[in-house]
Amino acid sequence: NAGVTQTPKFQVLKTGQSMTLQCAQDMNHEYMSWYRQDPGMGLRLIHYSVGAGITDQGEVPNGYNVSRSTTEDFPLRLLSAAPSQTSVYFCASSYSWQGGETQYFGPGTRLLVL
Amino acid sequence: QQPVQSPQAVILREGEDAVINCSSSKALYSVHWYRQKHGEAPVFLMILLKGGEQKGHDKISASFNEKKQQSSLYLTASQLSYSGTYFCGTERTTDSWGKLQFGAGTQVVVTP
Repeated sequence: NAGVTQTPKFQVLKTGQSMTLQCAQDMNHEYMSWYRQDPGMGLRLIHYSVGAGITDQGEVPNGYNVSRSTTEDFPLRLLSAAPSQTSVYFCASSYSWQGGETQYFGPGTRLLVL
Repeated sequence: QQPVQSPQAVILREGEDAVINCSSSKALYSVHWYRQKHGEAPVFLMILLKGGEQKGHDKISASFNEKKQQSSLYLTASQLSYSGTYFCGTERTTDSWGKLQFGAGTQVVVTP
C-alpha cells in the first residue's frame, strides 16, 4: 500500500492564481481531512470528509474548497491564492470518522504564494 | 480551542527522561500523540481514550487524566531517534469526532 499520497510536493503561486492540491489514499479509509501547518501554530483543520459526497468545514476553511467524489481522492482547491496561504498542507485519512481512530498523514505540500 | 502543550522545548542527553504535557479547557474524548521530524509528515505514536483505553507504540508511555483534561507523554531512557517535535491532538465530544485540534508542539532535542 502506498498509504496517503500528495501532489505536488512543492508549488509556487502568484497572488490571485488558483490551484488544486491532490490527495489520495489506498487504504479504503472513510475519513479524510486537510490541515495546514504554520510555524509555531501546530496543525489546523481546513476541511474534512466522512465519506464520498460528504464534506464539512474545519477550523480555517476560508479561501479553500473541497469535494469528494470517490473514497480514494480528496482534492483541496485554492480559489484565489493569497500570501497568507503560504504554508505546508497535509492530507490525512483514518479508517472511520468515529472517535479514537489513528490518522495517517501524507508527506505534505509546501506552498509559497508571492 | 487549541490544547496547550508544555514545555515548548526540551534538550536531553541520551538516556535521560522527559515529560511532555497537553492540557485542554474542554472535556475530551481522546488525546492523540504524534511526532514530526523536520520536513516530514507527523507520525502516529499513541491514542488515549476516555475510559482508559490506549492504542499505540509499545515503547512510548502516556497517561490521560480525565478529571484534569490533561495528558502526559513520557520519554524514558531517550534515544537520538526521539528527537523531533511532539504534537498532541484532542478530540472533544461525539460531535467533533475526527476533528483533531492540535497543540503548538514541543520540540525535543536529544544529544549524544
